[in-house]
Amino acid sequence: DTAVSQTPKYLVTQMGNDKSIKCEQNLGHDTMYWYKQDSKKFLKIMFSYNNKELIINETVPNRFSPKSPDKAHLNLHINSLELGDSAVYFCASSPRATGVSYEQYFGPGTRLTVT
Amino acid sequence: GNSVTQMEGPVTLSEEAFLTINCTYTATGYPSLFWYVQYPGEGLQLLLKATKADDKGSNKGFEATYRKETTSFHLEKGSVQVSDSAVYFCALSDPYGGATNKLIFGTGTLLAVQP
Repeated sequence: DTAVSQTPKYLVTQMGNDKSIKCEQNLGHDTMYWYKQDSKKFLKIMFSYNNKELIINETVPNRFSPKSPDKAHLNLHINSLELGDSAVYFCASSPRATGVSYEQYFGPGTRLTVT
Repeated sequence: GNSVTQMEGPVTLSEEAFLTINCTYTATGYPSLFWYVQYPGEGLQLLLKATKADDKGSNKGFEATYRKETTSFHLEKGSVQVSDSAVYFCALSDPYGGATNKLIFGTGTLLAVQP
């Protein structure tokens, strides 16, 4: 059983399009995250939800909108895609938001290529 | 703000060589420290963690000790294998407005082990 799954694994699209990436975790965790990994492998958090409530919202263009229909799912919708959005997007989850010892469990990533 | 600095790669070693990947951090308070590993084409996996000063995290032959006096969390392994080839990320948990934690990652270090 896959703990944190993402769909699609690869996404190739043209500038200006709108696309969504889906994430699901079956670990029973309360908290989910979206990270962006650029071409140099640098990872940066974008958003986090705890029990469907947005708790982290980094400086991300408002073209990016996360949505959490329930605590097991966190989707990422991107409007008006730009070349600079090309990256690998990782979803992650953790048992809860607080508590310094809680590690995060990552999905396999979605490679987004904008042409 | 809080940050993590890792040695730049790539690190190229022969099988059975000793590995050290340096990681230092800047933080206020008492963050937890983590090493994550990313195998080619996969998401990140937690390798080991330490939650307080002088703790030693260990897993699969890898070790790292939380050194508050030198603000370091260097990763070591006595004898690397070809299967250890991957990108290694040092990370710290960063309290975010007191309500939750987010992970701050280093830039990653590519390890290539040759037979």
